[in-house]
Amino acid sequence: NAGVTQTPKFQVLKTGQSMTLQCAQDMNHNSMYWYRQDPGMGLRLIYYSASEGTTDKGEVPNGYNVSRLNKREFSLRLESAAPSQTSVYFCASSVIREGTDTQYFGPGTRLTVL
Amino acid sequence: GQQVMQIPQYQHVQEGEDFTTYCNSSTTLSNIQWYKQRPGGHPVFLIQLVKSGEVKKQKRLTFQFGEAKKNSSLHITATQTTDVGTYFCAGQPGDMRFGAGTRLTVKP
Repeated sequence: NAGVTQTPKFQVLKTGQSMTLQCAQDMNHNSMYWYRQDPGMGLRLIYYSASEGTTDKGEVPNGYNVSRLNKREFSLRLESAAPSQTSVYFCASSVIREGTDTQYFGPGTRLTVL
Repeated sequence: GQQVMQIPQYQHVQEGEDFTTYCNSSTTLSNIQWYKQRPGGHPVFLIQLVKSGEVKKQKRLTFQFGEAKKNSSLHITATQTTDVGTYFCAGQPGDMRFGAGTRLTVKP
């Protein structure tokens, strides 16, 4: 199993450009998440999807949209990138096993917006 | 809204010394999780605590959940260079809220 995969690994955008970050998991998990990680601020939840066909806003959703394409895939779209969106983006999926909700993270996408 | 604070932000220790990071929430938590992120890597789940006053151990790591379920700690005994990384706590209910992390460096 590959676990959680993310593409691309690195991306540089100019202000105003758009792009989609891709995430896929092969663990048959129902829940998937998008986080951003900024220095000194830990991980902040952007959007999550509790199941196929549903999405909900997290702590910092402004400037982003998501699509839960199917059970495996959860994409994050920046319609008009801004320098404030420079960050490392992590996708995660989770399963509840023996009462523990364990999140499995992808390797991350390092995004720079100029 | 729920906030999770973590201290210290950085900790540098000599190999063999102990290390502790603390996590405090502004509200009562239903559970708390701990993650480790190696430099350049992604967060990896370590453990979840659910019960008031719960203590769990993983080899040299000891995790505690406070009686009021508002604070938690991670203690590493006799640190090794392999312990290097950033340790995050994350609390629920609702959205998982992560602390800012404690970055541990270990001098051989």
